[in-house]
Amino acid sequence: KAGVTQTPRYLIKTRGQQVTLSCSPISGHRSVSWYQQTPGQGLQFLFEYFSETQRNKGNFPGRFSGRQFSNSRSEMNVSTLELGDSALYLCASSLEQGGPYEQYFGPGTRLTVT
Amino acid sequence: AQTVTQSQPEMSVQEAETVTLSCTYDTSESDYYLFWYKQPPSRQMILVIRQEAYKQQNATENRFSVNFQKAAKSFSLKISDSQLGDAAMYFCAYRSADSGYALNFGKGTSLLVTP
Repeated sequence: KAGVTQTPRYLIKTRGQQVTLSCSPISGHRSVSWYQQTPGQGLQFLFEYFSETQRNKGNFPGRFSGRQFSNSRSEMNVSTLELGDSALYLCASSLEQGGPYEQYFGPGTRLTVT
Repeated sequence: AQTVTQSQPEMSVQEAETVTLSCTYDTSESDYYLFWYKQPPSRQMILVIRQEAYKQQNATENRFSVNFQKAAKSFSLKISDSQLGDAAMYFCAYRSADSGYALNFGKGTSLLVTP
């Protein structure tokens, strides 16, 4: 099976712009979670989608949003980019929602905001 | 909120030797899951080992094993017969129903393996 894929792998944007990142989960996986990784804050949970519905949300401003499509693919959007949004954005998929189900991570999208 | 603490920012081990990475966590939950993830320089996060809190037996995966002390809220990772390919950032993570099963990560331990 193919692993979790994320596109694009690298992105450079300017402050004030918006960006959309894409995540394709492992085939058959229905849950997709997003995490932000920065040197200062470490790994922080953004949100989780399951069956096209946001099931859980981390402590991030409303500029961060996401959605999930019927084929379980997910996108996250960041509007009005700030310098502090520069980070590695990781997507993880799991078969179902819940504790017993392992999360498999993609390679990440490196976002640089200038 | 649950917190996960990794007190060793960096560790070093010689090839073929054994190293133990520490992790403590704070929770009031009785049912939860603990994980160790490895993130090599390529950045792909890989699951190393997992432990369910209700299981008393420590998890083992080949050269990787954990020492799970539920009462002490401690979850250390032991890597035996270290290999050059083990060099990476290691993250301890926790998840439970209380946080909607979001992974809560520690700050990580950078492991250097020397020949």
